[in-house]
Amino acid sequence: DQQVKQNSPSLSVQEGRISILNCDYTNSMFDYFLWYKKYPAEGPTFLISISSIKDKNEDGRFTVFLNKSAKHLSLHIVPSQPGDSAVYFCAASGLNFGNEKLTFGTGTRLTIIP
Amino acid sequence: DSGVTQTPKHLITATGQRVTLRCSPRSGDLSVYWYQQSLDQGLQFLIQYYNGEERAKGNILERFSAQQFPDLHSELNLSSLELGDSALYFCASSSKSGDGYTFGSGTRLTVV
Repeated sequence: DQQVKQNSPSLSVQEGRISILNCDYTNSMFDYFLWYKKYPAEGPTFLISISSIKDKNEDGRFTVFLNKSAKHLSLHIVPSQPGDSAVYFCAASGLNFGNEKLTFGTGTRLTIIP
Repeated sequence: DSGVTQTPKHLITATGQRVTLRCSPRSGDLSVYWYQQSLDQGLQFLIQYYNGEERAKGNILERFSAQQFPDLHSELNLSSLELGDSALYFCASSSKSGDGYTFGSGTRLTVV
């Protein structure tokens, strides 16, 4: 039962353009959503998060949008840079954020083309 | 350095053997989580400990067990290893702050 889904295993984007990574979830009890970036042979590193009471959160080049009615979130990276090439994971937590597990999607491999 | 330390980084062992993976959480974090990542798949939750007590269990095999010690470090024990247990094993620790969860760099287990 995949409660967090990332339907695009891979995405290629030209340097300088916008990268949009998508994530869907099925569990309406999820309350907090996070994006992680992962390089090979390293652990996931936190990028940006959003609470269910918001529909948008920005941090520099990264913006996360949340559409609760559609159970959908997206990560926008503008402008995309070669260093952004990595695997991106969407993750979700319930109300007890920080004290309960994260549920992860299967990841999207982003390749930025110079 | 994320603050979460995992050892060893790599482990190669034979089928049927037993191994122990170790994790030291970020200073001040009471929760430790173990995840398994196989073949470029997502991270599958195995088990959570909070301040020494088991808090939640995921799809953890009976051959696997874990514990968290009084100094808050945690160990994941994998026994009767099979080829399919080859994977990356990540430990994370958490607090209630904004980014909440911090991951270690993982242990790559190869069962031959």
